[in-house]
Amino acid sequence: GAVVSQHPSWVICKSGTSVKIECRSLDFQATTMFWYRQFPKQSLMLMATSNEGSKATYEQGVEKDKFLINHASLTLSTLTVTSAHPEDSSFYICSARRGGNQPQHFGDGTRLSIL
Amino acid sequence: DAKTTQPPSMDCAEGRAANLPCNHSTISGNEYVYWYRQIHSQGPQYIIHGLKNNETNEMASLIITEDRKSSTLILPHATLRDTAVYYCIVRFYGGATNKLIFGTGTLLAVQP
Repeated sequence: GAVVSQHPSWVICKSGTSVKIECRSLDFQATTMFWYRQFPKQSLMLMATSNEGSKATYEQGVEKDKFLINHASLTLSTLTVTSAHPEDSSFYICSARRGGNQPQHFGDGTRLSIL
Repeated sequence: DAKTTQPPSMDCAEGRAANLPCNHSTISGNEYVYWYRQIHSQGPQYIIHGLKNNETNEMASLIITEDRKSSTLILPHATLRDTAVYYCIVRFYGGATNKLIFGTGTLLAVQP
């Protein structure tokens, strides 16, 4: 149990376009979902936390107008990278949690390359 | 969240037990210890977590010292597929800060 699916797994697009990444909890309801970013040879950096039906809470230094997060249901959260530029190229990973002290479960990540 | 300290890298022979240490000397009473691992180019995988008692599951054992200032993750029979970066994370239970903050972890290299 506790499977998190992320789509797409890889995306390449031109500079200036917007890219949407989906994160789904397949076999449980996730009260909270998280979005991370990871650059090569670095650790995961938390970008934002979202609770179903409410606005996401962004970490310091993360532009909320650049990285739009929607958590419309207990099984789906989306991250949209707006007007993407080459410096936004990274590995984006979502995770989901049932609640309380339950562990977070992670998707397999989306590798975003902006040309 | 309490900070954790892990060695940057460790080696282990295939078939032997891998013991990964973690120091969390500033942990508070309501903070849990979580272990995750990340195999190259994949999302992190949950391994185990605990509060103060030792824990065991099908993947690993977690040994927490009595003062809770350190812990050890034990992989009883390491295989080549266990080569990964292992993260020890301390997380507050409840409230707005209930999130995982990743440090730099330990790169475990299992040698044939």
